[in-house]
Amino acid sequence: DAKTTQPNSMESNEEEPVHLPCNHSTISGTDYIHWYRQLPSQGPEYVIHGLTSNVNNRMASLAIAEDRKSSTLILHRATLRDAAVYYCILNNNDMRFGAGTRLTVKP
Amino acid sequence: EPEVTQTPSHQVTQMGQEVILRCVPISNHLYFYWYRQILGQKVEFLVSFYNNEISEKSEIFDDQFSVERPDGSNFTLKIRSTKLEDSAMYFCASTPRAANYGYTFGSGTRLTVV
Repeated sequence: DAKTTQPNSMESNEEEPVHLPCNHSTISGTDYIHWYRQLPSQGPEYVIHGLTSNVNNRMASLAIAEDRKSSTLILHRATLRDAAVYYCILNNNDMRFGAGTRLTVKP
Repeated sequence: EPEVTQTPSHQVTQMGQEVILRCVPISNHLYFYWYRQILGQKVEFLVSFYNNEISEKSEIFDDQFSVERPDGSNFTLKIRSTKLEDSAMYFCASTPRAANYGYTFGSGTRLTVV
C-alpha cells in the first residue's frame, strides 16, 4: 500500500499559494516522488515528479527535503479549477495511490 | 497533447457476463497499467504490463481478470464473469518508462454490474 502520509484535507483561498505536504520517511534511494491530482469525476492527472532536486513545471513546483523524507507540492496561485484530490506517491516501478489530500479552494 | 483513450466510457453488464474494457495507450509508451476506483474510494492498482507480459499484479487481479495487447495499439482488460463488486471506474495508464516518467491516465470506463 501507499508509503506516504498526507493530510486528509486542506483549504485555500483563490489566488493564494498552496503548500501541500507529504511525509515519506521510509523512502528508498530509487523511489521517485510523484504527484497526481484527480478532479471531480475525472481520471488522475500527472502534476510533477522528482528524485532529489526541486522541480518546477507549468503546473506546480515540488520541493524535496534534503533527506528526502518529505516533500511539498506548491501551487503558486490557486484557482477554483485546482480543487481536487492531490496524491503524493512513491514510484519505483510500482505506483500505488493512497487517500490523498482533498484541496478546497474558496473564492 | 497525446492522450490515452478508453472505450466505452460507460458499460452496463449483467452479473456473470464477460466484459472487455479497451484502452489505446500513447503510441511510444512502453509500460501500461490498469487501475480501478470504486465509488467514493481510493484508486487501486490492478496490473502493470511491459514487453507483452504482466510485470506486477495486485491481490485484486485474480483469475477472473486478464490483460492483453492484441495488436500494436490496443491494451485490454477482460473480466470473465462479472460480480456486483466489480462495479467501478476503470482507468488505463501508460508511460514511456516506469518510475522516471509521469503516467498518463485515460478518462476511464464506468462499469456497472447489475
